[in-house]
Amino acid sequence: GENVEQHPSTLSVQEGDSAVIKCTYSDSASNYFPWYKQELGKRPQLIIDIRSNVGEKKDQRIAVTLNKTAKHFSLHITETQPEDSAVYFCAAKGGNTPLVFGKGTRLSVIA
Amino acid sequence: DTGVSQDPRHKITKRGQNVTFRCDPISEHNRLYWYRQTLGQGPEFLTYFQNEAQLEKSRLLSDRFSAERPKGSFSTLEIQRTEQGDSAMYLCASSLPRDSYNEQFFGPGTRLTVL
Repeated sequence: GENVEQHPSTLSVQEGDSAVIKCTYSDSASNYFPWYKQELGKRPQLIIDIRSNVGEKKDQRIAVTLNKTAKHFSLHITETQPEDSAVYFCAAKGGNTPLVFGKGTRLSVIA
Repeated sequence: DTGVSQDPRHKITKRGQNVTFRCDPISEHNRLYWYRQTLGQGPEFLTYFQNEAQLEKSRLLSDRFSAERPKGSFSTLEIQRTEQGDSAMYLCASSLPRDSYNEQFFGPGTRLTVL
């Protein structure tokens, strides 16, 4: 089955700097890669996703890149703000298989 | 609130007791998922339904766990003879079956503590 590895597990950045979180996946049949943000005590919320027919997708300060050959995808947050502090999860799935999540990255943005 | 709702939000029980959780998905969503999340981990898939049919179950779902979605709307997850290892956040999510790219909307979760 699918296995998703996520790095780093914790990340601290200064406000205004960029943050990058990387994930690798094992199943070449996976074709959907969402990123979820989970604030303390709250539900995971989708912030961006990418499909396997696209290499990059951007939404304001957030971007995701996908390298199908290398089976890795990354989340980029630019101009970080304190409200970006949260745990971020990557996930992967293909067809009707379930979403498989990484273990999460705790991002702290220091004002 | 038109999002996914779960009840109760917190449950404390003694080892050996049975517990049941409820999930109400977004009304037009016909796919419903259950996940378990422990501290420092991502959500782990347990099972999912399309309408009332339970289509897949994880190996994590031992025979003490059972899930139902009798009318294709709300779902229940029951854990029998709870063990301390069952302590976790139980998350429900729902989606439309839009090809493979079905964004899943999560509920707030039920935090289970087994003493």
